[in-house]
Amino acid sequence: SQKIEQNSEALNIQEGKTATLTCNYTNYSPAYLQWYRQDPGRGPVFLLLIRENEKEKRKERLKVTFDTTLKQSLFHITASQPADSATYLCALLMDSNYQLIWGAGTKLIIKP
Amino acid sequence: GAVVSQHPSRVICKSGTSVKIECRSLDFQATTMFWYRQFPKQSLMLMATSNEGSKATYEQGVEKDKFLINHASLTLSTLTVTSAHPEDSSFYICSARKPDSYYGYTFGSGTRLTVV
Repeated sequence: SQKIEQNSEALNIQEGKTATLTCNYTNYSPAYLQWYRQDPGRGPVFLLLIRENEKEKRKERLKVTFDTTLKQSLFHITASQPADSATYLCALLMDSNYQLIWGAGTKLIIKP
Repeated sequence: GAVVSQHPSRVICKSGTSVKIECRSLDFQATTMFWYRQFPKQSLMLMATSNEGSKATYEQGVEKDKFLINHASLTLSTLTVTSAHPEDSSFYICSARKPDSYYGYTFGSGTRLTVV
């Protein structure tokens, strides 16, 4: 079965630096790979989606890359701010049943 | 946009009672909604897929008689935790997919259930 691995340890980044989060999966590549932000006690919020035939996607300070050879996606936040502190979840949309397979998330802490 | 409203945000109930959680899509019709459960510092665990007008599809290990799901309209799905016990205490989140959209799913704000 498909498994997703995200850095389980919290990631501490100095404000203004680029934060890079990793999402690795084990089996066949998904049709879509998605990144969400989750704040404590709240539901996830969709950030970006990248298709399997895309290498990179950008949205303001966010950038996502997708390497189907490495079975890996990287999520970058440039010019990071303390308000970017949250847990970031990677999710794979596999097939026509529209279910998402979730990583456990990486907690990002941006220090002022 | 796509907005999903979930209520209540927090609920405390006594052991043995039932609790109903509502999930509404406010500005779109959701033929499919998903119910998740999340424990602290863990990933979202899919409990069931709710389809309008038909029975929900439950994931392996989820008791369908305990977690009753009703998706009676295109904008409302409900999850009822029956005969709740302390081990049912968790964070429950619903999400909906806008039809014909492969884009990100929209999530409710979640319900923190505490069974005492």
